[in-house]
Amino acid sequence: TQLLEQSPQFLSIQEGENLTVYCNSSSVFSSLQWYRQEPGEGPVLLVTVVTGGEVKKLKRLTFQFGDARKDSSLHITAAQPGDTGLYLCAGALGGDNYGQNFVFGPGTRLSVLP
Amino acid sequence: NAGVTQTPKFQVLKTGQSMTLQCAQDMNHEYMSWYRQDPGMGLRLIHYSVGAGITDQGEVPNGYNVSRSTTEDFPLRLLSAAPSQTSVYFCASSYSSKQYFGPGTRLTVT
Repeated sequence: TQLLEQSPQFLSIQEGENLTVYCNSSSVFSSLQWYRQEPGEGPVLLVTVVTGGEVKKLKRLTFQFGDARKDSSLHITAAQPGDTGLYLCAGALGGDNYGQNFVFGPGTRLSVLP
Repeated sequence: NAGVTQTPKFQVLKTGQSMTLQCAQDMNHEYMSWYRQDPGMGLRLIHYSVGAGITDQGEVPNGYNVSRSTTEDFPLRLLSAAPSQTSVYFCASSYSSKQYFGPGTRLTVT
């Protein structure tokens, strides 16, 4: 059983469309991170959200942490082929700054077609 | 800065063989970790270290050993490889909860 669930598992859209992917859990996290991973490479950190209800924007990407700190969403506006990749969420169960208690979701694989 | 480097990039082992996956970072981070990534499973923590001389087990430590003699290096040893250890292995170092991942080692055990 996964501690973190992500949906959808796969998503294929046309360039210019908007999309939202979700990260859900029954556990409360002290912080939550989103990563993007491209084929043959390691994950790259996009954002960390810490406060319940927090919203962060990174260009066309909007990240929201649920009020209860159990879930998060990633919204992409006007998707581009360069957004293609595996999007992973990771939740921190502890309150430390080292990150050793991060658990990862299985990921959403996004394909943006030109 | 090279960031986090891993060698080798690819490896094929026979069941029962042993090997060491190398990981090095040049960012002077105290915390380092090893994950394995399998389809549909996300990344699972194998072992981690909060500083030289200190290591601890993660979620899936069985069959793996680590040591941390220096801040820079954090090798992962497979003692007796099994087909269930076929996976992609990522090393990461972190500071203030920001994790930086290496490019990964793709390991196949036949």
